[in-house]
Amino acid sequence: DAKTTQPTSMDCAEGRAANLPCNHSTISGNEYVYWYRQIHSQGPQYIIHGLKNNETNEMASLIITEDRKSSTLILPHATLRDTAVYYCIVRVNFGNEKLTFGTGTRLTIIP
Amino acid sequence: DAGVTQSPTHLIKTRGQQVTLRCSPISGHKSVSWYQQVLGQGPQFIFQYYEKEERGRGNFPDRFSARQFPNYSSELNVNALLLGDSALYLCASSLDFGFRGNQPQHFGDGTRLSIL
Repeated sequence: DAKTTQPTSMDCAEGRAANLPCNHSTISGNEYVYWYRQIHSQGPQYIIHGLKNNETNEMASLIITEDRKSSTLILPHATLRDTAVYYCIVRVNFGNEKLTFGTGTRLTIIP
Repeated sequence: DAGVTQSPTHLIKTRGQQVTLRCSPISGHKSVSWYQQVLGQGPQFIFQYYEKEERGRGNFPDRFSARQFPNYSSELNVNALLLGDSALYLCASSLDFGFRGNQPQHFGDGTRLSIL
């Protein structure tokens, strides 16, 4: 699986959009970009995933660059409950389906 | 609908003992994966099971084993416990496997295992 690089920590003001970047320069053509978050003392929560097109769901938007070497997770209106560690993961779409977690980005929403 | 459920939520064992952790996947999900999360780190993959067969194994010693039952629930067993096995053990389920994959894994809240 391709390696990802994320900032260690970020702050965002409540009500503003939180933009979390992720670099995955060695991604291959059959690998998807997945985002999970983990709130303290809970299991990781699935947020969104995509291959090459931008994706949006009720939680967030995922913007993937045209060369697929980086992506950005956007939380449009951050709330205090969005404070968590956010993991960007690259995974093949079939076969070995393990998720390889890095250390993620610790996002703190500031009132 | 119920999510992934794990039991027990907390467990305390001593070195050398054996432990069994249990996981019930989301209804309709056929694939179960296990992860270990040591404090301050991201989860590390241990096993994946689909249709009662092991489909993937991470870099863990043979003291770790698992199985999946006909109802798709799963157990993780760890023998000869070491202090370093203290961790949060997470179970995740997904709808399917293989070419029908690209299904997100959904996690339970884990079993917190402490070794004294």
